[in-house]
Amino acid sequence: EPEVTQTPSHQVTQMGQEVILRCVPISNHLYFYWYRQILGQKVEFLVSFYNNEISEKSEIFDDQFSVERPDGSNFTLKIRSTKLEDSAMYFCASSEDSHTDTQYFGPGTRLTVL
Amino acid sequence: GNSVTQMEGPVTLSEEAFLTINCTYTATGYPSLFWYVQYPGEGLQLLLKATKADDKGSNKGFEATYRKETTSFHLEKGSVQVSDSAVYFCALSDLGKAAGNKLTFGGGTRVLVKP
Repeated sequence: EPEVTQTPSHQVTQMGQEVILRCVPISNHLYFYWYRQILGQKVEFLVSFYNNEISEKSEIFDDQFSVERPDGSNFTLKIRSTKLEDSAMYFCASSEDSHTDTQYFGPGTRLTVL
Repeated sequence: GNSVTQMEGPVTLSEEAFLTINCTYTATGYPSLFWYVQYPGEGLQLLLKATKADDKGSNKGFEATYRKETTSFHLEKGSVQVSDSAVYFCALSDLGKAAGNKLTFGGGTRVLVKP
């Protein structure tokens, strides 16, 4: 069964460093998402992406964050200058069609900012 | 804005017990409702969904009915197994946006089933 994959599974970085989290969505899906879950808190929406542009973003998704689909398979989340409070589990998701709206999630990347 | 409230855990049960996890929502439109499950060390997996009032979603013995009048989507299973131990998330998506529909999640309920 097709699945969303994410790399790395765990990323440790120093405060102020740039990180890139990578995702490979399901191949025929058109809509892509990033969510995050700070330890002990809710899963929060960050951004949705369709047709090579951001379709919606939350207030969390400030200028330090960016997303890109650099080729036909990868979908990346970049944090330019990490802060301690960026430590969280980051989930990528994809859906075939927004109107069927079933999002399939990857296993997540745990980001630890020291 | 949209919000989802679900019962806090952990919920500890014995095998073959009945499980209910309460979920209520607030939404401005007519959302679709979901239950996702997260097994230890894994990502979020869709368990079931319902897209309109009175729909019942079901999968792996779990059921949930979309109740518009009570704005609820409670998850139930008649006889749990140890393998059902996981964190369960209630979520909604609002089809107001044409391109992409963000999910709004509840806080998650950890369920532990003991043999």
